[in-house]
Amino acid sequence: NAGVTQTPKFQVLKTGQSMTLQCAQDMNHEYMSWYRQDPGMGLRLIHYSVGAGITDQGEVPNGYNVSRSTTEDFPLRLLSAAPSQTSVYFCASSYSGVPGYTFGSGTRLTVV
Amino acid sequence: GENVEQHPSTLSVQEGDSAVIKCTYSDSASNYFPWYKQELGKRPQLIIDIRSNVGEKKDQRIAVTLNKTAKHFSLHITETQPEDSAVYFCAASTTGTASKLTFGTGTRLQVTL
Repeated sequence: NAGVTQTPKFQVLKTGQSMTLQCAQDMNHEYMSWYRQDPGMGLRLIHYSVGAGITDQGEVPNGYNVSRSTTEDFPLRLLSAAPSQTSVYFCASSYSGVPGYTFGSGTRLTVV
Repeated sequence: GENVEQHPSTLSVQEGDSAVIKCTYSDSASNYFPWYKQELGKRPQLIIDIRSNVGEKKDQRIAVTLNKTAKHFSLHITETQPEDSAVYFCAASTTGTASKLTFGTGTRLQVTL
Protein backbone atom coordinates (compact mmCIF):
# COMPACT_ATOMS: atom_id res chain seq x y z
CA ASN A 1 0.00 0.00 0.00
CA ALA A 2 1.34 3.39 -0.99
CA GLY A 3 -1.26 5.17 1.17
CA VAL A 4 -2.01 8.71 0.01
CA THR A 5 0.24 9.95 -2.78
CA GLN A 6 0.51 13.62 -3.70
CA THR A 7 2.28 15.14 -6.67
CA PRO A 8 4.17 17.35 -7.18
CA LYS A 9 6.03 17.90 -3.91
CA PHE A 10 7.06 21.43 -4.84
CA GLN A 11 5.73 23.89 -7.41
CA VAL A 12 6.34 27.52 -8.30
CA LEU A 13 3.66 29.28 -10.32
CA LYS A 14 3.33 32.73 -11.75
CA THR A 15 0.26 34.76 -10.90
CA GLY A 16 -2.57 33.85 -13.25
CA GLN A 17 -1.28 30.40 -14.17
CA SER A 18 -3.40 27.33 -13.58
CA MET A 19 -2.35 23.93 -12.37
CA THR A 20 -3.64 20.69 -10.89
CA LEU A 21 -2.41 19.12 -7.68
CA GLN A 22 -2.76 15.37 -7.84
CA CYS A 23 -3.89 13.10 -5.01
CA ALA A 24 -4.35 9.35 -5.18
CA GLN A 25 -5.04 6.73 -2.52
CA ASP A 26 -4.98 2.94 -2.72
CA MET A 27 -6.84 2.14 0.50
CA ASN A 28 -10.34 2.14 -1.01
CA HIS A 29 -11.26 5.12 1.17
CA GLU A 30 -14.57 6.74 0.30
CA TYR A 31 -13.74 10.06 1.96
CA MET A 32 -11.09 12.37 0.55
CA SER A 33 -10.31 15.99 1.32
CA TRP A 34 -7.93 18.84 0.61
CA TYR A 35 -6.49 21.13 3.29
CA ARG A 36 -4.18 24.07 3.09
CA GLN A 37 -1.73 24.84 5.86
CA ASP A 38 -0.56 28.37 6.54
CA PRO A 39 1.63 29.55 9.45
CA GLY A 40 -0.43 30.24 12.57
CA MET A 41 -3.68 29.13 10.93
CA GLY A 42 -3.65 25.37 11.25
CA LEU A 43 -5.16 23.26 8.52
CA ARG A 44 -8.19 24.64 6.73
CA LEU A 45 -10.53 22.52 4.64
CA ILE A 46 -10.79 23.51 0.97
CA HIS A 47 -13.00 20.81 -0.57
CA TYR A 48 -14.00 17.29 0.30
CA SER A 49 -15.67 14.27 -1.27
CA VAL A 50 -17.66 11.46 0.30
CA GLY A 51 -17.45 9.25 -2.77
CA ALA A 52 -17.01 9.14 -6.52
CA GLY A 53 -19.11 11.80 -8.20
CA ILE A 54 -19.79 13.72 -4.97
CA THR A 55 -17.89 16.83 -3.86
CA ASP A 56 -18.60 19.68 -1.50
CA GLN A 57 -17.02 22.90 -0.31
CA GLY A 58 -15.07 23.33 2.86
CA GLU A 59 -14.06 26.46 4.73
CA VAL A 60 -11.90 28.12 2.04
CA PRO A 61 -13.06 26.92 -1.42
CA ASN A 62 -12.66 30.11 -3.47
CA GLY A 63 -10.18 29.82 -6.32
CA TYR A 64 -10.14 26.02 -6.26
CA ASN A 65 -12.05 23.32 -8.12
CA VAL A 66 -12.24 19.60 -7.51
CA SER A 67 -13.75 16.54 -9.13
CA ARG A 68 -13.98 12.90 -8.09
CA SER A 69 -14.43 10.64 -11.09
CA THR A 70 -12.93 7.57 -9.35
CA THR A 71 -12.62 6.39 -5.76
CA GLU A 72 -8.84 6.58 -5.97
CA ASP A 73 -8.22 10.10 -7.31
CA PHE A 74 -9.13 13.55 -6.05
CA PRO A 75 -7.32 16.31 -7.97
CA LEU A 76 -7.34 19.95 -6.87
CA ARG A 77 -7.30 22.61 -9.58
CA LEU A 78 -6.12 26.15 -9.15
CA LEU A 79 -7.92 28.14 -11.81
CA SER A 80 -5.87 31.35 -11.80
CA ALA A 81 -3.12 31.28 -9.19
CA ALA A 82 -2.76 34.20 -6.80
CA PRO A 83 0.00 34.96 -4.25
CA SER A 84 -2.58 34.35 -1.49
CA GLN A 85 -2.63 30.70 -2.57
CA THR A 86 1.00 30.25 -1.56
CA SER A 87 0.70 27.47 1.00
CA VAL A 88 1.33 23.83 1.77
CA TYR A 89 -1.49 21.64 0.50
CA PHE A 90 -2.37 18.32 2.08
CA CYS A 91 -4.68 15.67 0.74
CA ALA A 92 -6.24 13.27 3.25
CA SER A 93 -8.48 10.23 3.07
CA SER A 94 -10.44 7.97 5.38
CA TYR A 95 -13.17 5.40 5.44
CA SER A 96 -16.56 7.07 5.29
CA GLY A 97 -17.85 8.05 8.70
CA VAL A 98 -14.58 7.26 10.45
CA PRO A 99 -12.54 10.46 10.33
CA GLY A 100 -9.16 8.95 11.19
CA TYR A 101 -7.46 10.69 8.33
CA THR A 102 -4.37 9.51 6.53
CA PHE A 103 -2.51 12.48 5.09
CA GLY A 104 -0.40 12.67 1.98
CA SER A 105 3.11 14.13 2.18
CA GLY A 106 2.01 17.55 0.98
CA THR A 107 2.64 19.92 -1.92
CA ARG A 108 4.49 23.14 -1.22
CA LEU A 109 3.14 25.75 -3.65
CA THR A 110 4.62 29.19 -4.18
CA VAL A 111 2.84 31.75 -6.36
CA VAL A 112 4.99 34.68 -7.45
CA GLY B 1 -19.84 25.47 11.61
CA GLU B 2 -17.35 24.12 14.13
CA ASN B 3 -14.67 26.38 15.62
CA VAL B 4 -11.70 24.94 17.48
CA GLU B 5 -9.40 27.08 19.60
CA GLN B 6 -6.04 25.79 20.78
CA HIS B 7 -3.66 27.06 23.46
CA PRO B 8 -0.85 27.74 23.91
CA SER B 9 0.60 28.47 20.49
CA THR B 10 4.11 27.68 21.74
CA LEU B 11 5.25 25.60 24.69
CA SER B 12 8.76 24.98 25.93
CA VAL B 13 9.44 22.31 28.54
CA GLN B 14 12.52 20.62 29.90
CA GLU B 15 13.13 17.00 29.10
CA GLY B 16 11.28 14.82 31.58
CA ASP B 17 8.65 17.42 32.42
CA SER B 18 5.00 17.17 31.42
CA ALA B 19 3.31 19.17 28.67
CA VAL B 20 -0.37 20.05 28.44
CA ILE B 21 -2.14 21.47 25.38
CA LYS B 22 -5.74 22.60 25.61
CA CYS B 23 -8.50 22.94 23.02
CA THR B 24 -12.07 24.15 23.08
CA TYR B 25 -14.75 23.52 20.48
CA SER B 26 -18.05 25.19 19.71
CA ASP B 27 -20.32 22.58 18.11
CA SER B 28 -22.03 20.40 20.71
CA ALA B 29 -22.69 17.81 17.97
CA SER B 30 -18.95 17.06 17.64
CA ASN B 31 -18.17 13.65 19.03
CA TYR B 32 -14.71 12.78 17.71
CA PHE B 33 -11.51 14.52 18.86
CA PRO B 34 -8.18 13.47 17.35
CA TRP B 35 -4.71 14.84 17.98
CA TYR B 36 -2.08 15.05 15.27
CA LYS B 37 1.66 15.47 15.52
CA GLN B 38 3.55 17.18 12.73
CA GLU B 39 7.32 17.15 12.61
CA LEU B 40 9.12 19.78 10.61
CA GLY B 41 8.52 19.31 6.88
CA LYS B 42 6.43 16.20 7.40
CA ARG B 43 2.75 15.31 7.17
CA PRO B 44 0.42 15.40 10.19
CA GLN B 45 0.13 12.01 11.84
CA LEU B 46 -2.60 10.82 14.18
CA ILE B 47 -1.22 10.11 17.65
CA ILE B 48 -4.36 9.61 19.72
CA ASP B 49 -8.09 10.21 19.49
CA ILE B 50 -11.08 10.14 21.78
CA ARG B 51 -14.79 9.81 21.22
CA SER B 52 -17.46 11.55 23.22
CA ASN B 53 -18.55 8.48 25.14
CA VAL B 54 -15.15 8.36 26.87
CA GLY B 55 -13.72 10.87 29.33
CA GLU B 56 -10.07 9.87 29.14
CA LYS B 57 -7.82 7.76 26.99
CA LYS B 58 -4.20 6.85 27.54
CA ASP B 59 -1.46 5.46 25.32
CA GLN B 60 1.89 5.11 27.06
CA ARG B 61 3.13 8.66 27.76
CA ILE B 62 0.22 10.35 25.98
CA ALA B 63 -3.26 10.90 27.36
CA VAL B 64 -6.27 12.86 26.22
CA THR B 65 -9.11 14.07 28.42
CA LEU B 66 -12.51 15.30 27.30
CA ASN B 67 -15.07 17.42 29.10
CA LYS B 68 -18.20 17.48 26.92
CA THR B 69 -20.11 19.76 29.23
CA ALA B 70 -17.46 22.45 29.03
CA LYS B 71 -16.60 21.59 25.41
CA HIS B 72 -12.91 21.26 25.98
CA PHE B 73 -10.31 18.56 25.60
CA SER B 74 -6.63 18.36 26.41
CA LEU B 75 -3.49 16.47 25.42
CA HIS B 76 -1.11 15.45 28.17
CA ILE B 77 2.42 14.26 27.44
CA THR B 78 4.39 12.95 30.41
CA GLU B 79 8.15 12.39 30.70
CA THR B 80 8.78 14.46 27.59
CA GLN B 81 11.67 13.56 25.32
CA PRO B 82 13.44 15.57 22.60
CA GLU B 83 11.65 13.53 19.93
CA ASP B 84 8.34 14.92 21.23
CA SER B 85 9.36 18.30 19.79
CA ALA B 86 6.87 19.03 16.99
CA VAL B 87 3.69 20.93 16.21
CA TYR B 88 0.57 19.38 17.71
CA PHE B 89 -2.91 19.95 16.31
CA CYS B 90 -6.21 19.18 17.93
CA ALA B 91 -9.33 18.70 15.84
CA ALA B 92 -13.03 18.05 16.22
CA SER B 93 -15.75 16.55 14.07
CA THR B 94 -18.93 14.60 14.05
CA THR B 95 -18.83 11.03 12.81
CA GLY B 96 -20.90 10.18 9.79
CA THR B 97 -20.79 10.12 6.03
CA ALA B 98 -20.05 13.80 5.57
CA SER B 99 -18.07 14.49 8.72
CA LYS B 100 -15.43 17.21 8.39
CA LEU B 101 -12.44 17.65 10.65
CA THR B 102 -11.93 21.19 11.93
CA PHE B 103 -8.41 21.81 13.23
CA GLY B 104 -7.02 24.08 15.88
CA THR B 105 -4.20 26.45 14.98
CA GLY B 106 -1.46 24.25 16.43
CA THR B 107 0.98 24.26 19.34
CA ARG B 108 4.70 24.21 18.76
CA LEU B 109 6.23 22.09 21.52
CA GLN B 110 9.93 22.41 22.19
CA VAL B 111 11.55 19.93 24.56
CA THR B 112 14.89 21.19 25.77
CA LEU B 113 17.70 19.14 27.27
